[in-house]
Amino acid sequence: TQLLEQSPQFLSIQEGENLTVYCNSSSVFSSLQWYRQEPGEGPVLLVTVVTGGEVKKLKRLTFQFGDARKDSSLHITAAQPGDTGLYLCAGARAGTALIFGKGTTLSVSS
Amino acid sequence: EPEVTQTPSHQVTQMGQEVILRCVPISNHLYFYWYRQILGQKVEFLVSFYNNEISEKSEIFDDQFSVERPDGSNFTLKIRSTKLEDSAMYFCASSPATSTRETQYFGPGTRLLVL
Repeated sequence: TQLLEQSPQFLSIQEGENLTVYCNSSSVFSSLQWYRQEPGEGPVLLVTVVTGGEVKKLKRLTFQFGDARKDSSLHITAAQPGDTGLYLCAGARAGTALIFGKGTTLSVSS
Repeated sequence: EPEVTQTPSHQVTQMGQEVILRCVPISNHLYFYWYRQILGQKVEFLVSFYNNEISEKSEIFDDQFSVERPDGSNFTLKIRSTKLEDSAMYFCASSPATSTRETQYFGPGTRLLVL
């Protein structure tokens, strides 16, 4: 079974703190996508990483794809209340299906 | 920015009834997908569709489910005889190509409640 494990499952921090969310698997992925999902809404794409060791930045968010393409991390610098939400990683292997992790629920309080 | 749209946003139905969930993928995309998310659980792949046929389907996508592209813009998911356990959010997604490096863009979802 292909599993994507996300950690931590829940994270509650103060505004201004830094945080890292991890997405790990024993399987190699061709690409990995990070989404953010609000309650009752669809996943909204943040970034896609495709190359081992790749680092992408989106304002205060930094995404890294592991060298072996089995894991990824999302680092948020100086978190703000607007960053509150559910962060999902999803990996693609052979075929068309995306495999999702369970997500990390982030709460940033002011 | 182009978006995937889905209708209805909410659907309540009685067990055993048929439901059709509708999606309009992004206009220049060629590959279409359905996923579902049971409350509190992971997003799960159901089916992918290209060139008017199913490319891949999961174990969840049994004979009660079917997909169709009835015209040049809509993509539908039909559940023939709904069960209580079909209650979930159903997401449509589309991508320009099917490469595993290609991003899938998701719609806002349809919340299906089977009573």
